[in-house]
Amino acid sequence: AQTVTQSQPEMSVQEAETVTLSCTYDTSESDYYLFWYKQPPSRQMILVIRQEAYKQQNATENRFSVNFQKAAKSFSLKISDSQLGDAAMYFCAYRSADRGYIPTFGRGTSLIVHP
Amino acid sequence: DVKVTQSSRYLVKRTGEKVFLECVQDMDHENMFWYRQDPGLGLRLIYFSYDVKMKEKGDIPEGYSVSREKKERFSLILESASTNQTSMYLCASSRRGLAGVVEQYFGPGTRLTVT
Repeated sequence: AQTVTQSQPEMSVQEAETVTLSCTYDTSESDYYLFWYKQPPSRQMILVIRQEAYKQQNATENRFSVNFQKAAKSFSLKISDSQLGDAAMYFCAYRSADRGYIPTFGRGTSLIVHP
Repeated sequence: DVKVTQSSRYLVKRTGEKVFLECVQDMDHENMFWYRQDPGLGLRLIYFSYDVKMKEKGDIPEGYSVSREKKERFSLILESASTNQTSMYLCASSRRGLAGVVEQYFGPGTRLTVT
């Protein structure tokens, strides 16, 4: 079974600075999808960014980008120019491309943004 | 805008009561999910449904049941609530396709307290 590990239960960053959240996963599959979700305090979880494993180019969405290292099975999220609104729980998720509709989630990283 | 709604944001029930949590999505998604979210444990899948009247157990189905009579509605039932079921419950939906980057859409969550 796939596992997703987020080794940082909590991270903090100063406003306007850059922070990187780590995620590693364990799989024997070659085709899969990876996601970062954001859950702000008392608000709905939303998708931040996604990556297809067959694509070598790292995904970017405005201030959010990923560093996808397939061989190392690593999928870190970089947030540039951090804003107070970035404070949230961040979850990394893995989904197989071939089997099942159910993603596997990491345990989450709580990001604190200091003004 | 896509939308997943849950019947209650906060719910307080007594031990032994039968509890119904309802989730409705307006995106015509085939897949619907119920998760339980606890600090430090991330999201744990309780049940999954891939079609009307179809369901599959997730990682922690004990003490729970589900119902999906209509495509847009997925209900989670606690047959006899216990204090260890005090938690945040998240509903999610996604379209069926295995191919492509299929993301999940989440509801706002129901924080259930069992006293």
